[in-house]
Amino acid sequence: QQQVKQSPQSLIVQKGGISIINCAYENTAFDYFPWYQQFPGKGPALLIAIRPDVSEKKEGRFTISFNKSAKQFSLHIMDSQPGDSATYFCAASLNSGYSTLTFGKGTMLLVSP
Amino acid sequence: EPEVTQTPSHQVTQMGQEVILRCVPISNHLYFYWYRQILGQKVEFLVSFYNNEISEKSEIFDDQFSVERPDGSNFTLKIRSTKLEDSAMYFCASSETPRQFFGPGTRLTVL
Repeated sequence: QQQVKQSPQSLIVQKGGISIINCAYENTAFDYFPWYQQFPGKGPALLIAIRPDVSEKKEGRFTISFNKSAKQFSLHIMDSQPGDSATYFCAASLNSGYSTLTFGKGTMLLVSP
Repeated sequence: EPEVTQTPSHQVTQMGQEVILRCVPISNHLYFYWYRQILGQKVEFLVSFYNNEISEKSEIFDDQFSVERPDGSNFTLKIRSTKLEDSAMYFCASSETPRQFFGPGTRLTVL
């Protein structure tokens, strides 16, 4: 019930391409869905987050698409750059985010020059 | 931008020894968390702390673990008797809004 499933495990995208990472959750009580970016040797850093009352949120090249009925959400990185190469984690939380984060297993993204 | 800091960056210890991992959260934050990440795996929640008490804890956070906010700035995680399987990266996080800020982590190696 508390799981967040993330795919793919790894992804290689050419520079300028679109990177798409998908997540699915089971607990319908989750009401806050952030994406975190982690570079080697660093802690996760919040990239973008969405609440279930909207279907899409865009910040620069990063977009979250949210499908409440399917219990799925995805991260799209437009015009992917080599500097985007990192591990991306989706997460979910209760209480509008004032609760613990349940993370997906992560996606290692490599953007080739 | 303010940062969460953690010390030490790497801790090596013998099985059965006690370790204390230290964190300095962002100064005006009220919510504090510890997570861990075993190499190559996902980030897992350990414990959250608010208003000087534990607000949530996972099944990982057993009697061997404890947290403390000994003064107005530090937040510590103590593992009383370390096991081999405690080897992981431990992240501290703090927040005042839903956005949790993570520290750079402490790599704990138990031999």
